[in-house]
Amino acid sequence: GAGVSQSPRYKVAKRGQDVALRCDPISGHVSLFWYQQALGQGPEFLTYFQNEAQLDKSGLPSDRFFAERPEGSVSTLKIQRTQQEDSAVYLCASSNNRDSGNTIYFGEGSWLTVV
Amino acid sequence: AQKVTQAQTEISVVEKEDVTLDCVYETRDTTYYLFWYKQPPSGELVFLIRRNSFDEQNEISGRYSWNFQKSTSSFNFTITASQVVDSAVYFCALSVLSSGSARQLTFGSGTQLTVLP
Repeated sequence: GAGVSQSPRYKVAKRGQDVALRCDPISGHVSLFWYQQALGQGPEFLTYFQNEAQLDKSGLPSDRFFAERPEGSVSTLKIQRTQQEDSAVYLCASSNNRDSGNTIYFGEGSWLTVV
Repeated sequence: AQKVTQAQTEISVVEKEDVTLDCVYETRDTTYYLFWYKQPPSGELVFLIRRNSFDEQNEISGRYSWNFQKSTSSFNFTITASQVVDSAVYFCALSVLSSGSARQLTFGSGTQLTVLP
């Protein structure tokens, strides 16, 4: 597609429920990132994929968070047993080469509210 | 570790005024990249500019200009003749070239710019 596409745009989950957030990166982009943005804050890094390989997951806040990109394109961020502190915008981003300076393009985010 | 500081939380200006958004960064790496993104209410982060650590030339793009000064570790962003459509949250971010987490961006906390008609 023309840009990074994320779904759902808005999700309300009851505490304890599992959620899955989907990201469809820009076609051909090998690098994919997930960021978490709390209200009034800047985005914070969660995890990074190069093709299907998850090269960095140092930002995942707990073992309830899991991300995958099995075929090197679409990625899913899964949050198990959601807690209220998981309420945030989850941003997906992609870029097209390995140079750390290459521009990273972001989607509109999935807005998660845990009640 | 990397750090980006945007000391201005909120700025309000009247349309047609010039406004400068400040960004100060910290890194021990000699090779790094600096970015500015705009985040309108829709939530998408819109890329504005990327600058590498070896290029200190200032850049102008229409009403936007950027002043990169390594001596003060600053990468400030100026909007000339601001317009209501410039209202958004602006983020400065830093990316370093190193092993492991080579690709992640470290963001500042953002500056909410409101341009009043």
